[in-house]
Amino acid sequence: DQQVKQNSPSLSVQEGRISILNCDYTNSMFDYFLWYKKYPAEGPTFLISISSIKDKNEDGRFTVFLNKSAKHLSLHIVPSQPGDSAVYFCAASGTSGSRLTFGEGTQLTVNP
Amino acid sequence: NAGVMQNPRHLVRRRGQEARLRCSPMKGHSHVYWYRQLPEEGLKFMVYLQKENIIDESGMPKERFSAEFPKEGPSILRIQQVVRGDSAAYFCASSPTSDTQYFGPGTRLTVL
Repeated sequence: DQQVKQNSPSLSVQEGRISILNCDYTNSMFDYFLWYKKYPAEGPTFLISISSIKDKNEDGRFTVFLNKSAKHLSLHIVPSQPGDSAVYFCAASGTSGSRLTFGEGTQLTVNP
Repeated sequence: NAGVMQNPRHLVRRRGQEARLRCSPMKGHSHVYWYRQLPEEGLKFMVYLQKENIIDESGMPKERFSAEFPKEGPSILRIQQVVRGDSAAYFCASSPTSDTQYFGPGTRLTVL
């Protein structure tokens, strides 16, 4: 049972444009959501998070949107840079300090 | 402040041997999590520990796998009698009392 889904295995955008990565979840008990970036042979790097009491959180070029009724969240990166090319994982947790459930990841490629 | 440290970074074992993976959390972090990433898959939760306590081991295989986080020293993930299917990247994450988990670089286990 895949409780967190990233339906796009890959995404390609031009440098300077907006990248939008999507994530859907099925478990209504999830109340905290995170995005991680991962380069090959490295561990995931935390990017940004959002609590279920909010619908938007912004940090520099990264913005996460949460639509609780649709059980959907998205990560916007603008402007996209070639260094953003990596695999992006969406993750969710149910209670503070608990396990993370990850999506399968989306490979983002930003072309110069 | 050093990040999460894992060693070894690469580990090769023959079938039937034991593998020991170590994780030192970030300073001030008392929560440790272990995740496994099989080839071509996302990260899967294995176990959540606090000092001297296993909080959630629902993701651990029932046999051959064990984990500890002693009062002094790193957290250890131990795999006895390894099989080829154990070949994967094993990631450790730590957190303070908040929700965000910070990951180490991982240990890549190869079973011959």
